[in-house]
Amino acid sequence: NAGVTQTPKFRVLKTGQSMTLLCAQDMNHEYMYWYRQDPGMGLRLIHYSVGEGTTAKGEVPDGYNVSRLKKQNFLLGLESAAPSQTSVYFCASSYGLAGTNEQFFGPGTRLTVL
Amino acid sequence: GNSVTQMEGPVTLSEEAFLTINCTYTATGYPSLFWYVQYPGEGLQLLLKATKADDKGSNKGFEATYRKETTSFHLEKGSVQVSDSAVYFCALSDRTGGSYIPTFGRGTSLIVHP
Repeated sequence: NAGVTQTPKFRVLKTGQSMTLLCAQDMNHEYMYWYRQDPGMGLRLIHYSVGEGTTAKGEVPDGYNVSRLKKQNFLLGLESAAPSQTSVYFCASSYGLAGTNEQFFGPGTRLTVL
Repeated sequence: GNSVTQMEGPVTLSEEAFLTINCTYTATGYPSLFWYVQYPGEGLQLLLKATKADDKGSNKGFEATYRKETTSFHLEKGSVQVSDSAVYFCALSDRTGGSYIPTFGRGTSLIVHP
């Protein structure tokens, strides 16, 4: 099993450009999450999904959109990138109500917006 | 709402020293508790967990006991190694209130010197 994978690993954007980050999991998890990690800020939840076709806002959703068309995939979109979105982005998944909800994390995507 | 408070770092120790990282929580229900570890350049991975009062989670020489009376889940290790240098996150997941989304502390950086 690959676990949780993220694509791409690194990306540099110019202000105003758009991009999509892809997260995939092969553990049949119901819940999926997108976080950003900035120095001194810990992990902050951007959006999450409790099942295929559902999404919800987290702590810092502004400037991001998400979609969960297939259970195994969770996409994070930036429509018009800003320098404030320079960060490391982590995707995670969990069983949700079926278990203790421990999370499995991907390796991260390092995004720089110039 | 739910919250997790961890001691601020960095925590700097010499090899073979005793480690304690404090974690306290507030929750509306009866949460599961977790410690995650993040090694440099990687995503978070589960270190240990506990699901009910007085449970002790343990892994790789680390231990934490679920203390409901003090709402704490302190991480301990008897003899740290240089390879334990990482950021440690305390987290909880609470089924009550309709949201099972995990809550994380801000992380504590551990630096172990030879």
